[in-house]
Amino acid sequence: GAGVSQSPRYKVAKRGQDVALRCDPISGHVSLFWYQQALGQGPEFLTYFQNEAQLDKSGLPSDRFFAERPEGSVSTLKIQRTQQEDSAVYLCASSPSSHQPQHFGDGTRLSIL
Amino acid sequence: AQSVTQLDSHVSVSEGTPVLLRCNYSSSYSPSLFWYVQHPNKGLQLLLKYTSAATLVKGINGFEAEFKKSETSFHLTKPSAHMSDAAEYFCVVSDMVANAGKSTFGDGTTLTVKP
Repeated sequence: GAGVSQSPRYKVAKRGQDVALRCDPISGHVSLFWYQQALGQGPEFLTYFQNEAQLDKSGLPSDRFFAERPEGSVSTLKIQRTQQEDSAVYLCASSPSSHQPQHFGDGTRLSIL
Repeated sequence: AQSVTQLDSHVSVSEGTPVLLRCNYSSSYSPSLFWYVQHPNKGLQLLLKYTSAATLVKGINGFEAEFKKSETSFHLTKPSAHMSDAAEYFCVVSDMVANAGKSTFGDGTTLTVKP
């Protein structure tokens, strides 16, 4: 399809393991956003890319979180030494530009045991 | 700074009756406002957006919202609820000038539709 694709849909990891979450944005979309959605809450901003440049990472909760988009298309959100509080749904969104509505993927549900 | 308050965490209506989901926002500049719907285990789908054009905005599936600057509100309405409208709804503010598209979400309103 032509939507935002995220993988895996579900990820279970043991505390202390590293995880990598992938986002394939809509082709041609310049802007890419990552959000964290805890159970029963609204999504919270993590980071924003314009092409390959990470323009805002103010929402990343700690230095264990790292995001990249090296070629301005696919993005990866990496969490090192996972903790139980990292359990959440991670949503990726893309838009043609930062001034236009965002299109969301179905998210990756991360569970840390 | 920008923020969003969704005044009701849960709304329950009967099928065929009107829906009102309330949202108040705070923004330093001229905001863009959005409503998204989220069905279980799915991503968010855009219902409608306000970006400083007409204050009454029509969206998909019969939803509409009115931007009231004096009240800093952007309430979502629908004349007649369908069972398929049962979902989580998020009001979103985005200050395109100050925050370059960074969006702030409300905590969501769960809409239940009774037969």
